[in-house]
Amino acid sequence: GAVVSQHPSRVICKSGTSVKIECRSLDFQATTMFWYRQFPKQSLMLMATSNEGSKATYEQGVEKDKFLINHASLTLSTLTVTSAHPEDSSFYICSAREWGGSYNEQFFGPGTRLTVL
Amino acid sequence: RKEVEQDPGPFNVPEGATVAFNCTYSNSASQSFFWYRQDCRKEPKLLMSVYSSGNEDGRFTAQLNRASQYISLLIRDSKLSDSATYLCVVKATSGTYKYIFGTGTRLKVLA
Repeated sequence: GAVVSQHPSRVICKSGTSVKIECRSLDFQATTMFWYRQFPKQSLMLMATSNEGSKATYEQGVEKDKFLINHASLTLSTLTVTSAHPEDSSFYICSAREWGGSYNEQFFGPGTRLTVL
Repeated sequence: RKEVEQDPGPFNVPEGATVAFNCTYSNSASQSFFWYRQDCRKEPKLLMSVYSSGNEDGRFTAQLNRASQYISLLIRDSKLSDSATYLCVVKATSGTYKYIFGTGTRLKVLA
């Protein structure tokens, strides 16, 4: 089956620093990748939709200058949390939709747990 | 009103019990529906898609009621390994690939 990886799986950083999270589709080409955030005991909230070679589409309330998304290839999307603050501490999960694949299918990465001190 | 609503639980049931979860959605134009399972501190994994005619996969049965805008999941003969959070997911209207997640229902199966 389709596999999506994320790196790092866990990161702890100081307030004010930037953190980059990578999302890779390992055995398929991903036309579209999605970035979600999940706070404790809450649902996954879509932050942005990332299409290869174009600018990401951000959901309402998500600051595009704070959460920088780059989808430079069909197998890699990155999310950079700039000037991270403690309130950005969360579980960040990406998913990928296969190019030419099922219209409904998204494959999820294992998530990155970010803790900002 | 939330777009996708679920009872957060927890549902504590003994092994072997039958348990049912419901989920309601607000957008009548929603196209596709799913149940995902999420274990603690892990990513969600697809349990099953939900079809209008209802569908079954082993001990799991999913139903969709478009008129009332709700989806259900029935688990028969609960196992300890079924303990997890069950997420109701709705794909928005056609032309988009966006998923909308419910907050999830926690299930604990007790020995």
